[in-house]
Amino acid sequence: DTEVTQTPKHLVMGMTNKKSLKCEQHMGHRAMYWYKQKAKKPPELMFVYSYEKLSINESVPSRFSPECPNSSLLNLHLHALQPEDSALYLCASSQVFAGAETQYFGPGTRLLVL
Amino acid sequence: GEDVEQSLFLSVREGDSSVINCTYTDSSSTYLYWYKQEPGAGLQLLTYIFSNMDMKQDQRLTVLLNKKDKHLSLRIADTQTGDSAIYFCAETLFSGGYNKLIFGAGTRLAVHP
Repeated sequence: DTEVTQTPKHLVMGMTNKKSLKCEQHMGHRAMYWYKQKAKKPPELMFVYSYEKLSINESVPSRFSPECPNSSLLNLHLHALQPEDSALYLCASSQVFAGAETQYFGPGTRLLVL
Repeated sequence: GEDVEQSLFLSVREGDSSVINCTYTDSSSTYLYWYKQEPGAGLQLLTYIFSNMDMKQDQRLTVLLNKKDKHLSLRIADTQTGDSAIYFCAETLFSGGYNKLIFGAGTRLAVHP
């Protein structure tokens, strides 16, 4: 099973709203990632959690707040977003396999900020 | 530096072979990846190749790696309409204690009858 699930699939929110994106994997992976993907662009890394600790924050604004409650779950809390934050938000997880840290992606949450 | 380049668009006839090319810059990349993204979906890992290999074949997919020229290609044999998607090449850059994926801009493959 190489499945990463994400909820919700679509989200529309106003600039004053607070919402959360959720990601789950049951592959025993110990690293989890959040990416942001704008239309016709490759994914851009936002955060990396390794063994439930935040390892990498790619200079993401504080209106995005990640949380890793346990080794299977990853959340992204959203508050006071801007219209330019509208994008596809992808979660990924990885295992170390024969030295390759292969990342498996979820289907994404498509976010629209009004 | 971190730079992965791909051509943006490829159009092929159904049943023909497709070849998607990619160049990368980091000669220390241990693994190189190909991901497929269908409209409205996430990224699907297609295949990857270890940097000391020249070629890897997996059913209809053949990956060729020229490490000297830092050139990677993905060949899809007998291309089908279901292969229409964006294909991302990615190299790995070891940074901050983990392997960061550096993606190319993606090649949009259009398959026509």
